[in-house]
Amino acid sequence: AQKVTQAQTEISVVEKEDVTLDCVYETRDTTYYLFWYKQPPSGELVFLIRRNSFDEQNEISGRYSWNFQKSTSSFNFTITASQVVDSAVYFCALSEAGSNQFYFGTGTSLTVIP
Amino acid sequence: DAGITQSPRYKITETGRQVTLMCHQTWSHSYMFWYRQDLGHGLRLIYYSAAADITDKGEVPDGYVVSRSKTENFPLTLESATRSQTSVYFCASSEGWPVNTEAFFGQGTRLTVV
Repeated sequence: AQKVTQAQTEISVVEKEDVTLDCVYETRDTTYYLFWYKQPPSGELVFLIRRNSFDEQNEISGRYSWNFQKSTSSFNFTITASQVVDSAVYFCALSEAGSNQFYFGTGTSLTVIP
Repeated sequence: DAGITQSPRYKITETGRQVTLMCHQTWSHSYMFWYRQDLGHGLRLIYYSAAADITDKGEVPDGYVVSRSKTENFPLTLESATRSQTSVYFCASSEGWPVNTEAFFGQGTRLTVV
């Protein structure tokens, strides 16, 4: 079973629209860590955020915000007032306390149309 | 320069040849990882290493060999390349036990097996 599910394969929005990227995870560990990465067209993977399982506070960083809900095992990512530069593939990832590795979702390809 | 570097960035090889992808990190991170990225599959873990001389299989290890004699290096060898191994390969490193800090990724190696 997939530990991290990103059901949205591709999303297209018009510039300035808000967009939410969904991430659902599966774990039995009580201690775990969630991450979001961005992969722009240039190909590198850029770290965006880390959240541990004991911190359910939502976080905002500029136009980016993250909604962590343990009750639904979700860690969704919202981009407000999207820009063309936000066009990228976004990956959600999970690391469990009992594991020595990251589990990545299959990614969501976001296209922001000018 | 500090960071994680992969070489080569691009490689074309023939079926049946042995090829080694290099990965070097300057942070002395304990953990290192090799992923392959394919359309529709996202990032899949090939092998990882928790420390020098400690390696373990990931999700798709068949056809690959790794070694880690020094903390900073984690080469990935395709013993007899096949066309199905055409992919983009990412090396990453991370600190923390368990893996609770973000992974830093190299620029990727685009490998084509003809």
